[in-house]
Amino acid sequence: AQTVTQSQPEMSVQEAETVTLSCTYDTSESDYYLFWYKQPPSRQMILVIRQEAYKQQNATENRFSVNFQKAAKSFSLKISDSQLGDAAMYFCASNTDKLIFGTGTRLQVFP
Amino acid sequence: DSGVTQTPKHLITATGQRVTLRCSPRSGDLSVYWYQQSLDQGLQFLIQYYNGEERAKGNILERFSAQQFPDLHSELNLSSLELGDSALYFCASSVDPRPGQGNYGYTFGSGTRLTVV
Repeated sequence: AQTVTQSQPEMSVQEAETVTLSCTYDTSESDYYLFWYKQPPSRQMILVIRQEAYKQQNATENRFSVNFQKAAKSFSLKISDSQLGDAAMYFCASNTDKLIFGTGTRLQVFP
Repeated sequence: DSGVTQTPKHLITATGQRVTLRCSPRSGDLSVYWYQQSLDQGLQFLIQYYNGEERAKGNILERFSAQQFPDLHSELNLSSLELGDSALYFCASSVDPRPGQGNYGYTFGSGTRLTVV
């Protein structure tokens, strides 16, 4: 069975600083995908970044990057140059035949 | 606009009632997924359809059912509603190059907020 664990219920960061959100997962599949979704106060689910498990290179999308450690089943999200608009719930998710989410990390950004 | 349309946006109903939530997937997407998000909780996977057929089931109650129609829109039916069913219900769709593989990430609708009183 797939499981996704986010051990940080809340994190905070100063504007323009860098923050890392942690995620671990467990799956018996060899072919899977990992995602980070952002949920702002509007409650819309927004895809931030995706990583294919077969790729060793870490995915990057502008200020967002991941540290994918396949052996450790770890998939952390790094947000650089944090902005006030980054404040949201962040969900890590893994996908083999269905998308399973972690419990989320609430990120606060202080000016 | 994500391309996934959910109606209604808000729904208030009494305990014991039945409601139907509707979802139109993004154009070209064959897979539809339903999720439940209770207050300040993560998203719980309920059920997946691919091109009209049920593909995967999660923690969906027997009082809940769903279907996907030939035009690919989907409906989630919730019956004998209880206070604990109050939640945000999301529909998502994906381009599945292979059935069961949402490789490109799921596109979510804006959700239906259900309040049971």
